[in-house]
Amino acid sequence: AIQMTQSSSSLSASIGDRVTIPCRASQDIDRALSWYQQRPGTAPKLLIFAASHLHSGVPSRFSGSGSGTDFTLTISGLQPEDFATYFCLQTSDYPLSFGGGTTVEIK
Amino acid sequence: EVQLVESGGGLVKPGGSLRLSCAASGFSFNDYIMNWVRQAPGKGLEWVASISWDGEYISYADSVKGRLTISRDNAKNSLFLSINSLRAEDTATYYCVRVVGSGRYILDHWGQGTLLTVSS
Repeated sequence: AIQMTQSSSSLSASIGDRVTIPCRASQDIDRALSWYQQRPGTAPKLLIFAASHLHSGVPSRFSGSGSGTDFTLTISGLQPEDFATYFCLQTSDYPLSFGGGTTVEIK
Repeated sequence: EVQLVESGGGLVKPGGSLRLSCAASGFSFNDYIMNWVRQAPGKGLEWVASISWDGEYISYADSVKGRLTISRDNAKNSLFLSINSLRAEDTATYYCVRVVGSGRYILDHWGQGTLLTVSS
């Protein structure tokens, strides 16, 4: 099974900061990687699919990059509503697997 | 508007069984692969099961294989997850999730979730 690792479980940042969240796959998954945002008490929301494609309606300050085993979610200009937990998900093969999540907290 | 509404959660004793349901609307349900994903309280997301549009192809997470059954009724636009021999570690919010993408596999729309608590 493919393991997904988000090395930071949390990070602190300020409004306006540029934030990068890494995610690593245990084997090559090409670009079969999505990113989700989850606010407390709500369902996850799709931000990025196929590693770098912005989902409809998602602000352009969100971007994704990477392929193979190393991926990054970048938030350029952090906004108050961006304080949340972010998960990566590989869809290269079953069983699908999520990273452990990275919580972006207010500094 | 795409809507996925889960139901059937609640408090169940260890060893018991139940069936979760997901009512889909706003899209052509029988054209889409569907998944269940769960989240234990305060924990991360865990993929549980997937079913093809026609129910022909099914996959399960190893952690639940043998105790969970995913199924669908396309005539009623409904997805189901049956769980037996419930354990404390099955306590979680269970999300119904649609898959889109030709040539890709994208979990795009999620329901609001239904909470299952397994406790005596």
